[in-house]
Amino acid sequence: EAGVTQSPTHLIKTRGQQATLRCSPISGHTSVYWYQQALGLGLQFLLWYDEGEERNRGNFPPRFSGRQFPNYSSELNVNALELEDSALYLCASSGREANYGYTFGSGTRLTVV
Amino acid sequence: GENVEQHPSTLSVQEGDSAVIKCTYSDSASNYFPWYKQELGKGPQLIIDIRSNVGEKKDQRIAVTLNKTAKHFSLHITETQPEDSAVYFCAARTYNNNDMRFGAGTRLTVKP
Repeated sequence: EAGVTQSPTHLIKTRGQQATLRCSPISGHTSVYWYQQALGLGLQFLLWYDEGEERNRGNFPPRFSGRQFPNYSSELNVNALELEDSALYLCASSGREANYGYTFGSGTRLTVV
Repeated sequence: GENVEQHPSTLSVQEGDSAVIKCTYSDSASNYFPWYKQELGKGPQLIIDIRSNVGEKKDQRIAVTLNKTAKHFSLHITETQPEDSAVYFCAARTYNNNDMRFGAGTRLTVKP
């Protein structure tokens, strides 16, 4: 069974540009979560999508947005990139059972120059 | 909402020694407590989890204990090896709630 896949692995953008990150969940998982992890720091919750809808949002500005497609894959968009957006962006998925953990992808390393 | 605190933030042990990482949570309705290991440049990987109906779970050198009364749970790694060096995250999740809260992480270094 394929795990959570994220693309691209690395992304370099210029300040002010837009970045699009993609995530495919484990087959059968309906929820997708996005986290930002700055270098050496913890997991900052960004967004949660389930059944195509945004269910919860972390403390991030509106230029961080995303969507979930009918096949449950998801994309994260970051507009008007700033240098401090440079981080590892992790996607995780889970099924409907609340007593199971998330499965994380390997992340997209976004570098803003 | 749930709040998870994790200690220590960094931990350095000698190879062969034991390592213990502790977490506390605030929501008494939380019933699922996973632990993740994140190696450099990779995403976090689930290494062990425990549900609220048990007090301890062991998997080879790794064990987790849960004290629901005190609302804390701990990760125990025995006979540590250099490959155990990583960042470890605890988390707590509430039944019927997909929102899982993570601790801030512990950077474990095992010195050979």
